[in-house]
Amino acid sequence: QQKVQQSPESLIVPEGAMTSLNCTFSDSASQYFAWYRQHSGKAPKALMSIFSNGEKEEGRFTIHLNKASLHFSLHIRDSQPSDSALYLCAVTTSSGSWQLIFGSGTQLTVMP
Amino acid sequence: AQTIHQWPVAEIKAVGSPLSLGCTIKGKSSPNLYWYWQATGGTLQQLFYSITVGQVESVVQLNLSASRPKDDQFILSTEKLLLSHSGFYLCAWSQGLHYEQYFGPGTRLTVL
Repeated sequence: QQKVQQSPESLIVPEGAMTSLNCTFSDSASQYFAWYRQHSGKAPKALMSIFSNGEKEEGRFTIHLNKASLHFSLHIRDSQPSDSALYLCAVTTSSGSWQLIFGSGTQLTVMP
Repeated sequence: AQTIHQWPVAEIKAVGSPLSLGCTIKGKSSPNLYWYWQATGGTLQQLFYSITVGQVESVVQLNLSASRPKDDQFILSTEKLLLSHSGFYLCAWSQGLHYEQYFGPGTRLTVL
């Protein structure tokens, strides 16, 4: 079964820094890869998604996907205190019942 | 614009009692609908999904059931609550299986 793992578990960066969050998965046949952000006590909100190998940029956020290495990442340029939240990666399964599997998250704190 | 509502906002229930949680999506016809559960400090876990009225797929067995009686309504229920059912229940919608999911505000359930 698909396994999704995130690193690091928590991260503290200064305002203005570049932040890099990592996600590994076990099924190379997965088709959909996404990052969500969840503030404490709130529902997750989609940030970005990608289907094929490569890079996708939206504003300060960039996703990298490398299916061969079973790895995708989220990079936040010029991190802001408002970016402080739990970041969740999510990957679909390719076998059995369709499922979106979430990682356990990286808690990001951006210090002013 | 699409809106998603969940009810109730919070519930405190006794072990062994029944439960019914609801979710309504407005402004989107024939959405894909999903139920998720998140234990306090835990990973977001998909429970059910539905592509069309009357059809629900179970992803994880947690002694819960789901139904989709109308195009815009998704219900999560059980006849007998367990302590392990406590947590944050989230409904989400998307326009397809490999599209971003939009979450409702959630229902916080405490089973005593």
